[in-house]
Amino acid sequence: DTGVSQDPRHKITKRGQNVTFRCDPISEHNRLYWYRQTLGQGPEFLTYFQNEAQLEKSRLLSDRFSAERPKGSFSTLEIQRTEQGDSAMYLCASSLGSTGENTGELFFGEGSRLTVL
Amino acid sequence: GNSVTQMEGPVTLSEEAFLTINCTYTATGYPSLFWYVQYPGEGLQLLLKATKADDKGSNKGFEATYRKETTSFHLEKGSVQVSDSAVYFCALNFGNEKLTFGTGTRLTIIP
Repeated sequence: DTGVSQDPRHKITKRGQNVTFRCDPISEHNRLYWYRQTLGQGPEFLTYFQNEAQLEKSRLLSDRFSAERPKGSFSTLEIQRTEQGDSAMYLCASSLGSTGENTGELFFGEGSRLTVL
Repeated sequence: GNSVTQMEGPVTLSEEAFLTINCTYTATGYPSLFWYVQYPGEGLQLLLKATKADDKGSNKGFEATYRKETTSFHLEKGSVQVSDSAVYFCALNFGNEKLTFGTGTRLTIIP
């Protein structure tokens, strides 16, 4: 399978613990995105990378959240000191983009579901 | 800010029925518009798009026309199939790939 893969698919944790999600994009894609989706809502943009550079962060991304893409391939999203409000599906997407090009076509993974007790 | 409003679901139709899922948007300027679909157990995938007024996007028998005057991008299909059962998301962006999504509409087609 050469699609976007995310790990773990499900994570249950206690409030105050740290969690980390991993995303492996489609191999030739240079852009990688993180979105968050809560029940009954559409995905909300969190942050995105072009290669290893983090180019934009949403104000939804508090200082407890950090994302990295160290070698421009896979990415991690870490949430420190989790809160119950962090419970959501965390979606990763990738695309092959270039400056000035807007296809709007993101390839999404199946998501990592976080439950904070 | 920019936002997308979708018709509330869930929507249940019989096979071969006509489908409309309404989508309207609020934005400063003229965004590109998209419909994404999420089939059970799969990630979101692009269904169709339109980048300027009066453009019609189409794919898999689905169509949507970018209507600037009504700020709408309604999704239609003439004859739905059981395999069309999924969650449909309307979305917009402005020249980059940071998408703003609607809340999604769950569609169930019964044989």
